[in-house]
Amino acid sequence: DVKVTQSSRYLVKRTGEKVFLECVQDMDHENMFWYRQDPGLGLRLIYFSYDVKMKEKGDIPEGYSVSREKKERFSLILESASTNQTSMYLCASRIDSEAFFGQGTRLTVV
Amino acid sequence: GQNIDQPTEMTATEGAIVQINCTYQTSGFNGLFWYQQHAGEAPTFLSYNVLDGLEEKGRFSSFLSRSKGYSYLLLKELQMKDSASYLCAVEGDTSGTYKYIFGTGTRLKVLA
Repeated sequence: DVKVTQSSRYLVKRTGEKVFLECVQDMDHENMFWYRQDPGLGLRLIYFSYDVKMKEKGDIPEGYSVSREKKERFSLILESASTNQTSMYLCASRIDSEAFFGQGTRLTVV
Repeated sequence: GQNIDQPTEMTATEGAIVQINCTYQTSGFNGLFWYQQHAGEAPTFLSYNVLDGLEEKGRFSSFLSRSKGYSYLLLKELQMKDSASYLCAVEGDTSGTYKYIFGTGTRLKVLA
């Protein structure tokens, strides 16, 4: 079974902190994605990566950056957390027609 | 612009059949996907349509009409465990980057 693991299930951070969300997949997928999920807005793509050290902006990249130094790991970085970044963050990896999601990280910025 | 519409909520009875509709307008089309998401859990893949017609997988079927920008997910013999959100997603980019555009999801409640 494919496994996508996110480092934390719940996080509480203070405004202005630098926040790292980690995601690891074990199936050698090239494509990895970070989404945020908010009520009434659905899943929105923040960044994606189609290979090591390659990254592209999604629909809402402002306030975020990413890192992909190894194929299995895709990190989302909040440079200076703000309260409007309180959300559920979902990582996914994909091959062919199916995406596999991590369990999500519920981030609260206070 | 790019837009995917689906109803916000639906309610159905255990044992019944329910159809969840999805309409889309995207600049490109490379496939339509349905995911199931139980509360507090990750979305899981249900189906993929790239050609017109019906794809059946057990109790779940998905239909696509590309000319109408329309899909539906059909759930038969509803069970309580089918209570979940159902997400419609379109791969609207044909450059091969596998980017999804998601609808806001339809929350299905199955009543006993």
